[in-house]
Amino acid sequence: GENVEQHPSTLSVQEGDSAVIKCTYSDSASNYFPWYKQELGKGPQLIIDIRSNVGEKKDQRIAVTLNKTAKHFSLHITETQPEDSAVYFCAASINSGNTPLVFGKGTRLSVIA
Amino acid sequence: GAVVSQHPSRVICKSGTSVKIECRSLDFQATTMFWYRQFPKQSLMLMATSNEGSKATYEQGVEKDKFLINHASLTLSTLTVTSAHPEDSSFYICSARDRPGQLNTEAFFGQGTRLTVV
Repeated sequence: GENVEQHPSTLSVQEGDSAVIKCTYSDSASNYFPWYKQELGKGPQLIIDIRSNVGEKKDQRIAVTLNKTAKHFSLHITETQPEDSAVYFCAASINSGNTPLVFGKGTRLSVIA
Repeated sequence: GAVVSQHPSRVICKSGTSVKIECRSLDFQATTMFWYRQFPKQSLMLMATSNEGSKATYEQGVEKDKFLINHASLTLSTLTVTSAHPEDSSFYICSARDRPGQLNTEAFFGQGTRLTVV
């Protein structure tokens, strides 16, 4: 089955700097890669996702890149703000409504004002 | 976007009792829902896949008789933790992907249920 590795486990950045979180996956059949932000005591919230037919996707300060050959994808947050502080999870799955997501272990991001 | 509603958000129960958690898809039909468990400072671990009108599929190591799943309609799945013990205390989260069986779907998550067994 799929295995997703995520690094780093914790990340501290100064407000305004960029943050990068990286994930690798094992199953070459996976073609859907979402990123979630989870705040304390809440369920995960989708922030951006990418499918295997594109290499990069951007939404304002957030971008995701995908390298299918190397089986890795990354989350980039620019101009970080204190409210970006949270735990971020990457996930991978087959692009089908009947398939569950497999999650990385998460990255605790702290943005220091 | 699609919304998944989970209830209750928090529950405290005595050891030995059972607790039911509901997960509803509010604006789409979900023939498949997923139940995850999350321990403090850890990732989401898939417990089971809930299939409407049929038996759930459990992940290895998850006791089906302890975690009863019922998916009686296209918008509701329930997870019942039977004879709960303190080690069952955790954050339980349900998820559903819109347009099941189709491509280009997104996965939406409920708000989670914090279960504390005392």
